[in-house]
Amino acid sequence: DTGVSQNPRHKITKRGQNVTFRCDPISEHNRLYWYRQTLGQGPEFLTYFQNEAQLEKSRLLSDRFSAERPKGSFSTLEIQRTEQGDSAMYLCASSFPRPPWQYFGPGTRLTVT
Amino acid sequence: AQTVTQSQPEMSVQEAETVTLSCTYDTSESDYYLFWYKQPPSRQMILVIRQEAYKQQNATENRFSVNFQKAAKSFSLKISDSQLGDAAMYFCAYGGTQGGSEKLVFGKGTKLTVNP
Repeated sequence: DTGVSQNPRHKITKRGQNVTFRCDPISEHNRLYWYRQTLGQGPEFLTYFQNEAQLEKSRLLSDRFSAERPKGSFSTLEIQRTEQGDSAMYLCASSFPRPPWQYFGPGTRLTVT
Repeated sequence: AQTVTQSQPEMSVQEAETVTLSCTYDTSESDYYLFWYKQPPSRQMILVIRQEAYKQQNATENRFSVNFQKAAKSFSLKISDSQLGDAAMYFCAYGGTQGGSEKLVFGKGTKLTVNP
């Protein structure tokens, strides 16, 4: 069990550029979650996959955001035409369906200049 | 929609002493999960302790224990024999079961300082 990994750990981009983050869940976990955490706040749910199916999306996930989980293994989160308001820590978590204990990765810190 | 409230933005404790962090939540569900996560500075979120709402017995994990009051919708975390390594942000989180995703709803966190 190597834990949840996320890459890159830090990303600095200019406004208007596209960025993509990757999450590798704990290998046996078929549920994968994305959250966003801004400074001084708790994480907020963005979206969730069970295997390769994206089953729920938050209204926080605007049209500029897209997430995929091909083959039900790793997941990618892409942000198109980044805005300064997208600057945040993007967290990935994974779990079994039962019990649904979520284990988090180290996060990707995005800075949009 | 479920909400989680942590009313203590900051708390401090002396090393070896006991501290209690407060959390209240609002839900109309009867079956759910509650969690405390620890987030050290610039480090990842760690699951500290969990409680299933149908269990009356309070969860314990070594020096960490909870006081779960379902009727009052309260879920406090007690840290005994505090250590310097306990210094971190602590987040209370609610995991619902309706809809099947058990996505987590977090409070704003409590920053715990441990004084030597």
